Amino acid sequence: DIQMTQSPSTLSASVGDRVTITCRASQSINSWLAWYQQKPGKAPKLLIYKASSLQSGVPSRFSGSGSGTEFTLTISSLQPDDFATYYCQQYNTYPYTFGQGTKLEIK
Amino acid sequence: QVQLVESGGGVVQPGRSLRLSCVASGFTFRNYGMHWVRQAPGKGLEWVAVISGDESKKYYVDSVKGRFTISRDNSKNTLYLQMNSLRAEDTAVYHCATPPEQPQAACWGQGTLVTVSS
Repeated sequence: DIQMTQSPSTLSASVGDRVTITCRASQSINSWLAWYQQKPGKAPKLLIYKASSLQSGVPSRFSGSGSGTEFTLTISSLQPDDFATYYCQQYNTYPYTFGQGTKLEIK
Repeated sequence: QVQLVESGGGVVQPGRSLRLSCVASGFTFRNYGMHWVRQAPGKGLEWVAVISGDESKKYYVDSVKGRFTISRDNSKNTLYLQMNSLRAEDTAVYHCATPPEQPQAACWGQGTLVTVSS
């Protein structure tokens, strides 16, 4: 199985900050990577697919990059609504595996 | 709009069975593979299983192989997960979801809680 490792596990930041979350795959997944945002008690929401494609309706302050084994999710200017947990998921090979999550907290 | 609604969760004793359902609306269900993903209390997301649109292909995470069966009824726009020989470690919220490779109908259901406890 492909292992997905996110860093950091927790990130403290302030409104207006630029933040980056990293996701590493244990082997190449080409660009078959998705990013999700999850708030407590809610279902995950797709933000980015195919590593860098912004899902319809998602604010442009979210962006994704990378290919192969290393990927990043960047939020250019944090808004209050962005404090949540973020997950990456590879969909190159079954089983589709998730990273362990990054909790974005208010500093 | 695209919507997925799960049902069938509950409290069940170890070794017993449960069947989850997921009713889809707002998109052409038969054209989409469908997934089950679970989240244990306070933990991260774990992909469980997938079924192709025509039901010809099914894949499972190792921990549920031989115990869980994914199926669908395209005439009813419904996805199922038959869970047998349940274990305490199967306790989780179970979400159905459209696949990330088909983002035009990106959607997750709110989930249904399965608690395996004696």
